This record gives sequence, structure tokens and C-alpha cells, in this order.
Amino acid sequence: EAGVTQSPTHLIKTRGQQVTLRCSPISGHTSVYWYQQALGLGLQFLLWYDEGEERNRGNFPPRFSGRQFPNYSSELNVNALELEDSALYLCASSFAGDTEAFFGQGTRLTVV
Amino acid sequence: GESVGLHLPTLSVQEGDNSIINCAYSNSASDYFIWYKQESGKGPQFIIDIRSNMDKRQGQRVTVLLNKTVKHLSLQIAATQPGDSAVYFCAENRADSSYKLIFGSGTRLLVRP
Repeated sequence: EAGVTQSPTHLIKTRGQQVTLRCSPISGHTSVYWYQQALGLGLQFLLWYDEGEERNRGNFPPRFSGRQFPNYSSELNVNALELEDSALYLCASSFAGDTEAFFGQGTRLTVV
Repeated sequence: GESVGLHLPTLSVQEGDNSIINCAYSNSASDYFIWYKQESGKGPQFIIDIRSNMDKRQGQRVTVLLNKTVKHLSLQIAATQPGDSAVYFCAENRADSSYKLIFGSGTRLLVRP
């Protein structure tokens, strides 16, 4: 069974540009979560989608947004990139509710 | 932010010894807890979970202890192996409409051969 897959694996962008990251959840999972992990630090919660709707978001500015498609895959969009957006962006999926979440390998974004 | 992005504390243990990694969680309403292991360059990997109606749960070589009175969680790894070297995160979840996993700051485990 395929795990959570994310694309691309690595990305380099210039300050001010926009980026879209993609995530495919485990088959059957309806919830998708996005986390930001700056180098050497912990995971900061970004967004939670379930059944196509945004259920919750963390303390990030509006230029961080996303969506979930009918097939439960998800995109994370970041506009007006700043240097401090450089991080590993992790996607996780789960069945809705209080069950374990499984993570993908992440997308390493570098903003120069 | 909701998880503390501070420097990672490091625990160094001798191969074969037992390891104990501690975590303090923030919300007494949290009712589900997970330990994740993250190796360099990889996403977090589920290790073990525990619900708030339990105070101990055992897996293969790992045990999680939950003390709700002091909001403390620990992960015990028996007979630590070099492959256990990684960063370990605890995560708490609140089973309400605002469901999301809140991660602790993480602990780096180094296993000395």
C-alpha cells in the first residue's frame, strides 16, 4: 500500500515568488495536515483539511493557503515567498478523528 | 507558534542501554498522544500511541507512560540500538472540532557504539 506522497521533493525559489506543493494521502484517508519544519526545529501546524474543507489553521499569515480536492489530495500554496519560509514542508494524512497521522517524506523548500 | 521551535535537547546513550525521552504537553483536554521518530531527511514515523484512559502502553522494545496529573509523557526504549538514533517528537491531540496534532519540540537521541 502506498504511503503519503509529496511532490516535489526539493524546490528552490526566489524571494517574492509563489510556490505550490502537492500531497497525496493514503488511500481511504480523508484528512490531510500540513506542517512546516524549519531546519533543526520542531513541527509547526499549518493547515488541516477534511472532506474538502479547511477545518483549522495554525498561526501563519494568509499568504499560506491550500485546498483539498475531491480525491482527498491536497495542495499548499505560499505566495510572496520570504527567506524564512525556507523549511521542510510535511504532509500527513489520517482517517478523520483522533487516529494516528502518517507523514510523507516532505518537500524541502529553499528561498533565496 | 503552537509547537515550541527551540533548539533540540540531546540524549546520548550507550548502545544496549535503555533510553528515556520525556515530553511535557500543554493542554489538560488532550486525550490522545503519539510518539514519532524522525530520521535525518525523512518525515516523522509513527512509533506508539496512547489514549488518556491509559497510563502505560507497551510495544516492541518501546513503552509509553502517561502521567495526566503533571501532563507528562515519556518514551522508554529498551536495549537502544544505533538505528534508534533520530529525533523523537511527542504529539498531543484534542478530540474536538479543532482536531490537530500539536508537536513538542523534540529530543535528539544519539546512540554511542
